[in-house]
Amino acid sequence: AQKITQTQPGMFVQEKEAVTLDCTYDTSDPSYGLFWYKQPSSGEMIFLIYQGSYDQQNATEGRYSLNFQKARKSANLVISASQLGDSAMYFCAMRASDYKLSFGAGTTVTVRA
Amino acid sequence: SAVISQKPSRDICQRGTSLTIQCQVDSQVTMMFWYRQQPGQSLTLIATANQGSEATYESGFVIDKFPISRPNLTFSTLTVSNMSPEDSSIYLCSAVTFGTSFEQYFGPGTRLTVT
Repeated sequence: AQKITQTQPGMFVQEKEAVTLDCTYDTSDPSYGLFWYKQPSSGEMIFLIYQGSYDQQNATEGRYSLNFQKARKSANLVISASQLGDSAMYFCAMRASDYKLSFGAGTTVTVRA
Repeated sequence: SAVISQKPSRDICQRGTSLTIQCQVDSQVTMMFWYRQQPGQSLTLIATANQGSEATYESGFVIDKFPISRPNLTFSTLTVSNMSPEDSSIYLCSAVTFGTSFEQYFGPGTRLTVT
């Protein structure tokens, strides 16, 4: 069984600063994928970034980067140059070989002006 | 990337009634899933929607309560049957398209309130 742990219920960040959201995972599956999603108050799930377990380089998508440390089973999301529109809930998720997603509890990010 | 639409976007229903949620994807996808997000909680997988056959349900979810259909590669429905206030949640459809990447997208969700 897969388990995703997000230990930060809420984070505050100043506008234009960077913020790191923690995510650790546990799986016995050798092949898996790690995802980060953003969920604003509207409820939609917005795909941010994906990292495959065999990918050698850390994934980046614009202001989002994933700090993947396979040996430590961590997949932290870094949001650089935070904007007010980044205020939302962020979920880390893992997908195993059956393509089912397991989600962490989420981290609420509030960006302050 | 796949574009996923769902309808209705929200609904308020009375206890004991049923609601069918539709999910449409703009491209042929390999796998479709239904998730539930109860208020203040994370997402939980309900089932995998299989094309032309019965859905595969996760522990704690049963076909009588959440019947699912997937008649083709781009369309699926989830019915929430005999609703109670505990069914008040956001229901999200998700799809995987195999290609050069393995992104997994979600529909905008259906916000259900049962009174």
